[in-house]
Amino acid sequence: SYELTQPPSVSVSPGQTASITCSGDKLGDKYACWYQQKPGQSPVLVIYQDNKRPSGIPERFSGSNSGNTATLIISGTQAMDEADYYCQAWDSNTGVFGGGTKLTVL
Amino acid sequence: QVQLQESGPGLVKPSETLSLTCIVSGGSISSYYWSWIRQPAGKGLEWIGRIYTSGSTNYNPSLKSRVTMSVDTSKNQFSLKLSSVTAADTAVYYCGRGLVGTVGRYYYYHMDVWGKGTTVTVSS
Repeated sequence: SYELTQPPSVSVSPGQTASITCSGDKLGDKYACWYQQKPGQSPVLVIYQDNKRPSGIPERFSGSNSGNTATLIISGTQAMDEADYYCQAWDSNTGVFGGGTKLTVL
Repeated sequence: QVQLQESGPGLVKPSETLSLTCIVSGGSISSYYWSWIRQPAGKGLEWIGRIYTSGSTNYNPSLKSRVTMSVDTSKNQFSLKLSSVTAADTAVYYCGRGLVGTVGRYYYYHMDVWGKGTTVTVSS
């Protein structure tokens, strides 16, 4: 079965750029999306089709996907961005999530 | 805007069948894929499966033998049944709306609307 691998944790200082990676075999040949989940809340879609932002998502969120790695980039990270982030792709008629990355803003 | 609300028993006995319903409000259920996702406490998201309004389904291979999804367009709702549950099925269960399409040769699938989730505990 297809697997997506994320680092368990990433730390960033306020105002700096955070990068969260998601690795999978030939992931660049698929579309990746990203969800943000804050404690006690449902996931929220922040990036879809590799680099598109849904309405209402701040411009500081962006994404890329090439080769075996998709990356979520948060520019000018704010304290409110502290959350768990999950990548997701579609493979062999199955939705697949990465294990999640806890982003700490300190 | 579209809202989703999960409902169902919060406690299920081992070996029994977990049954949940997701009610879609603020929009039509037609012409979308509808998904179930779960999350054990302190752990990551697991995709359970999806159903189209025609009734066509895709299930997670690891759960396929125990999962059944159905849709009732007249009631604007869809449902999940998970049989022979064990403690490992204890989780928050979310329903979600799936958007799909093809751009070039690539297929996309993502969930743009999620319910608030409902906690299901498997215990005797």
